[in-house]
Amino acid sequence: AQSVTQLDSQVPVFEEAPVELRCNYSSSVSVYLFWYVQYPNQGLQLLLKYLSGSTLVKGINGFEAEFNKSQTSFHLRKPSVHISDTAEYFCAVTGGSGTYKYIFGTGTRLKVLA
Amino acid sequence: GAGVSQSPRYKVAKRGQDVALRCDPISGHVSLFWYQQALGQGPEFLTYFQNEAQLDKSGLPSDRFFAERPEGSVSTLKIQRTQQEDSAVYLCASKKSRDRGETQYFGPGTRLLVL
Repeated sequence: AQSVTQLDSQVPVFEEAPVELRCNYSSSVSVYLFWYVQYPNQGLQLLLKYLSGSTLVKGINGFEAEFNKSQTSFHLRKPSVHISDTAEYFCAVTGGSGTYKYIFGTGTRLKVLA
Repeated sequence: GAGVSQSPRYKVAKRGQDVALRCDPISGHVSLFWYQQALGQGPEFLTYFQNEAQLDKSGLPSDRFFAERPEGSVSTLKIQRTQQEDSAVYLCASKKSRDRGETQYFGPGTRLLVL
């Protein structure tokens, strides 16, 4: 069975500092990986996704993530955060034949401090 | 163009009442998902439709939960005899094709509170 672990429930960081939000997954098959952002009172919005090819994936709003198969990780990074990046971030995985499920992590709340 | 819409946005139900939650996906989108998001948790898969066919309902918590998409567009999630543990945000998402790598577009959710 597939699973996703987001170990950090909350990450406070000062404005203009770099940030990394961690995501680890478990799966016995090839996977597709996603990062979504959820702003207060809004729906989830896709930041970026890894399907295949280059392990470094660039997304919207200056975010990027690196797929590491040996460590089964897909950590999200941004070199310099803004106040407006304050939101909840979710990692998700899907993959394998015969399944339509997307498995989401429990989320990481990013709080950017002035 | 219009995104995924859900109605109502908020619903308060007394324990034992039946509720119906509506999802209007993006026009032409083949795939439709329902998720349940409890407070402080990530979305949990409930069910998946490809056009009007419900191909996976393994995430539905009990037989009180029922979903349909009779014409392959609008979908309704029905919860019978609601219980307090059903309180959550119910999210709907759609995507253009059945390709697993395709982007899902989420609606704003329906916040259900069962008293």
